[in-house]
Amino acid sequence: GAVVSQHPSRVICKSGTSVKIECRSLDFQATTMFWYRQFPKQSLMLMATSNEGSKATYEQGVEKDKFLINHASLTLSTLTVTSAHPEDSSFYICSAPGQGAHREQFFGPGTRLTVL
Amino acid sequence: GDSVTQMEGPVTLSEEAFLTINCTYTATGYPSLFWYVQYPGEGLQLLLKATKADDKGSNKGFEATYRKETTSFHLEKGSVQVSDSAVYFCALTLSQAGTALIFGKGTTLSVSS
Repeated sequence: GAVVSQHPSRVICKSGTSVKIECRSLDFQATTMFWYRQFPKQSLMLMATSNEGSKATYEQGVEKDKFLINHASLTLSTLTVTSAHPEDSSFYICSAPGQGAHREQFFGPGTRLTVL
Repeated sequence: GDSVTQMEGPVTLSEEAFLTINCTYTATGYPSLFWYVQYPGEGLQLLLKATKADDKGSNKGFEATYRKETTSFHLEKGSVQVSDSAVYFCALTLSQAGTALIFGKGTTLSVSS
């Protein structure tokens, strides 16, 4: 099956710094990728849809200036958490739809962000 | 709006017990339905899926049937193992190109030997 990677898998940063998370589709192209956030013991909440060659689409309540998304190529989307604060600590997961008729989503392994 | 409701956990079972995790959905159109599993410290993995009414998805002894009349997609396994301990997410997506998944809140399953 299709593989999606994320880097880094874990990151710890100081409050006020920015952190970049990469999401790559390794063996297929993805014009669209999705970024989710998962709080402890809770479900995944869609943050934004990353579109190659155009602006990302953010879900209601998600600050676009806080969570910068860049879909630089057909295999790479990046999420930058700007001026991170402890409340941004979370598990961030990306996904990309495959090529099948029902566009099965393939998920990255996630990035654990801890802001001190 | 579209949504997924699944039973709250945690679910605690002994090895070889029967498992049911209920999932119901609300959706406009004709969704595809999925069960994802998240093992401790890992990302989500697709467990099974069904793309139209009456389809049965199955994998690793797990099964779920797409019931349009009851808008349900309950997950079952006849005999659970300790290695099945994980968080299980029911999800849907509309049968359109590239739409994001809508997830239920997840159900934690703990199986003891």
